[in-house]
Amino acid sequence: NAGVTQTPKFRILKIGQSMTLQCTQDMNHNYMYWYRQDPGMGLKLIYYSVGAGITDKGEVPNGYNVSRSTTEDFPLRLELAAPSQTSVYFCASSTPWDTQYFGPGTRLTVL
Amino acid sequence: GENVEQHPSTLSVQEGDSAVIKCTYSDSASNYFPWYKQELGKRPQLIIDIRSNVGEKKDQRIAVTLNKTAKHFSLHITETQPEDSAVYFCAASKGGGATNKLIFGTGTLLAVQP
Repeated sequence: NAGVTQTPKFRILKIGQSMTLQCTQDMNHNYMYWYRQDPGMGLKLIYYSVGAGITDKGEVPNGYNVSRSTTEDFPLRLELAAPSQTSVYFCASSTPWDTQYFGPGTRLTVL
Repeated sequence: GENVEQHPSTLSVQEGDSAVIKCTYSDSASNYFPWYKQELGKRPQLIIDIRSNVGEKKDQRIAVTLNKTAKHFSLHITETQPEDSAVYFCAASKGGGATNKLIFGTGTLLAVQP
């Protein structure tokens, strides 16, 4: 199993541009999550999903959108990128009762 | 909602000493408490976890204790080694609930001096 994979690894955006961060898991987990981690800080939940077609907001959802059309994929969309969205983004997946497994992260810089 | 506080924010120990990191949580319904280790530039990785029906769990040099009454849990690392240097995060969730969302502490930077 590859576990949780994310693309791209790094990205630089200009203010106002949009992009989609990809996340895929091959563990057949129903639950998937997106976090952001600012330098020297903990992880903040952006959005989560408990199954295909079901998504909900986390602690810091503003400026982001998600969709979940399949069990495997949970893309995160940034519309109108702002410098405040400069961060490392982690995707994670889990069963309802077990720990979360994290992807390798995407380092995003907005200039 | 749930709030998790973690202390200390930085911890420096000599190789071979013990290290203790403490977390408190606010929601008495939380029942699952994992600890993650994050090395520089890497993803968080689970090192140990505990559920609310257990008071202590040990895995070689790492142990976690849980006090449900006081709503706090702690990570204990014995015989520390330089490779233990990393940021450690505690978290809490209502595992098995509707979402299994993790609320993270702010992290502890552990430095083990050779």
